[in-house]
Amino acid sequence: KQEVTQIPAALSVPEGENLVLNCSFTDSAIYNLQWFRQDPGKGLTSLLLIQSSQREQTSGRLNASLDKSSGRSTLYIAASQPGDSATYLCAVKMDSNYQLIWGAGTKLIIKP
Amino acid sequence: EPEVTQTPSHQVTQMGQEVILRCVPISNHLYFYWYRQILGQKVEFLVSFYNNEISEKSEIFDDQFSVERPDGSNFTLKIRSTKLEDSAMYFCASSETGLAGYTFGSGTRLTVV
Repeated sequence: KQEVTQIPAALSVPEGENLVLNCSFTDSAIYNLQWFRQDPGKGLTSLLLIQSSQREQTSGRLNASLDKSSGRSTLYIAASQPGDSATYLCAVKMDSNYQLIWGAGTKLIIKP
Repeated sequence: EPEVTQTPSHQVTQMGQEVILRCVPISNHLYFYWYRQILGQKVEFLVSFYNNEISEKSEIFDDQFSVERPDGSNFTLKIRSTKLEDSAMYFCASSETGLAGYTFGSGTRLTVV
């Protein structure tokens, strides 16, 4: 059974720092992996989607990498800003079904 | 940018009552999903829907739940005889294909009292 883990559970850094959020999964037979942002009490905003055949995807200050064989993905945020404060979730879709399997998220606080 | 729209944003209901949560997926998307997130817990898959039928469902999605696409635009989740433990944020999502990325709505917060 696929398990998705995100470390750390919470992270607080000063504004301007570059940071890395981690996501690991136990079953490498994934079809894709998606990173989401969730603001308190709000919906899920898709940030980046990486297909299993890809190594990384970039959008603005965000870069997501995928190492399928080792069961890891990272989300790199460059030059962090207070507006980046949110919970970041990763979710994987397996080859065999439609559903997304989620990590518990990393709560990120960027201090001005 | 196209959006998935969910209504209402917040619903309070008494235990034992039926609720219907509504979603309008992105118009050219063919796959529709419901997920839920109990406060402080992981997001959980409930059901996927394609071609007017359920394509996959989780253990959570028992006889208490049902989904419907009553017309060409709406996608609904019905919860019969609600229980306190049904209190959660319910998210609707859609995707163009079964393997494409998802677009989520902003959620309906259901509170059962």
